[in-house]
Amino acid sequence: GAVVSQHPSRVICKSGTSVKIECRSLDFQATTMFWYRQFPKKSLMLMATSNEGSKATYEQGVEKDKFLINHASLTLSTLTVTSAHPEDSSFYICSARRQAGYTFGSGTRLTVV
Amino acid sequence: GQNIDQPTEMTATEGAIVQINCTYQTSGFNGLFWYQQHAGEAPTFLSYNVLDGLEEKGRFSSFLSRSKGYSYLLLKELQMKDSASYLCAVIYNQGGKLIFGQGTELSVKP
Repeated sequence: GAVVSQHPSRVICKSGTSVKIECRSLDFQATTMFWYRQFPKKSLMLMATSNEGSKATYEQGVEKDKFLINHASLTLSTLTVTSAHPEDSSFYICSARRQAGYTFGSGTRLTVV
Repeated sequence: GQNIDQPTEMTATEGAIVQINCTYQTSGFNGLFWYQQHAGEAPTFLSYNVLDGLEEKGRFSSFLSRSKGYSYLLLKELQMKDSASYLCAVIYNQGGKLIFGQGTELSVKP
């Protein structure tokens, strides 16, 4: 079945640094990917929609200069958390849309210290 | 907003039946999913409804009423391993965004 590979699974970074999270579709082309964040015991909150070859569409309240999204190919979308702060610590997960539904990456646990 | 509402938590007994309700804003509706999620893991697909009625898949069933903006997930013969968060998610027309409800934390007790 369709697989979305997300890396890294866990990352710890220092406050002020940037972190890049990758999501790669392994056996299909993903023209659209979605990025979510999830706080403990909360649901997935949609941050942005990533479209191959065009600018991402951000949800209200999400800072596009802080959460940089690049979708330069049909199989790769990246989320870069710039100048990370402890409040950015969260579980980030991507999802690719397919005709048959949505396939999720395994998630990235980001801890900013 | 899309106002997808579901109970925050529920408790049920092993072997019993539990129904988790979800209501949502109907404007732009294009389908509804139910997922199961364990902490720190990706959501796992359970069911998809786009037409009114009941979809049955083993111990899990999902119902949809589009006119009422209402769905439920029914879990039968509950097992301890069914303790997890259950997420209702709706596809809306605008770019096919999948929007999640807040999730229902289900605890199954012996």
